[in-house]
Amino acid sequence: GAGVSQSPSNKVTEKGKDVELRCDPISGHTALYWYRQSLGQGLEFLIYFQGNSAPDKSGLPSDRFSAERTGGSVSTLTIQRTQQEDSAVYLCASSSRRESNYGYTFGSGTRLTVV
Amino acid sequence: AQKITQTQPGMFVQEKEAVTLDCTYDTSDQSYGLFWYKQPSSGEMIFLIYQGSYDEQNATEGRYSLNFQKARKSANLVISASQLGDSAMYFCAIPNSGNTPLVFGKGTRLSVIA
Repeated sequence: GAGVSQSPSNKVTEKGKDVELRCDPISGHTALYWYRQSLGQGLEFLIYFQGNSAPDKSGLPSDRFSAERTGGSVSTLTIQRTQQEDSAVYLCASSSRRESNYGYTFGSGTRLTVV
Repeated sequence: AQKITQTQPGMFVQEKEAVTLDCTYDTSDQSYGLFWYKQPSSGEMIFLIYQGSYDEQNATEGRYSLNFQKARKSANLVISASQLGDSAMYFCAIPNSGNTPLVFGKGTRLSVIA
């Protein structure tokens, strides 16, 4: 696609429920990243996929968080048993090695609110 | 691990004036890149400018330029002729060791005043 697409754009969920956030990267971008941005804060790295390599999960805050990337394209971030502190904007980005000087292209994010 | 420090939580600038947003970093890599992003109130992250550590000249992109001082490990963003639309959060970022993923600073909120 022309850009990185994330869905849903907004999600309100009850504490304890599971949520799935979707990211559709730019076609041909081999790298995909998930970040979290709490209100008024910077970006916190969560997880990174590069091609067929094992993902870098070093930023996941707890075992309630997981992500997968199917077929080297679409990625799903899953948060189980959501807590109020999970409320944040979840940003997905993708990049290409050939365009590494342009950094990442970000999606518009999913705003998650846990009530 | 790499670290980015942006010491200015908020900045104000008069329209049409120039403004400098500070960024210092800590890295053990010999070769690295530095990135600046803009985040308007709408929330999207917009890539602005890139500086390679071995680039001999400071990067420029339109009204954006970098004051890159490698020895001091600083990469300050200069915005010339500020416009009202420049009001946004600005983030400096550097790849983590091994070239990915990007580590972001806490950002500077720039407000342009008419």
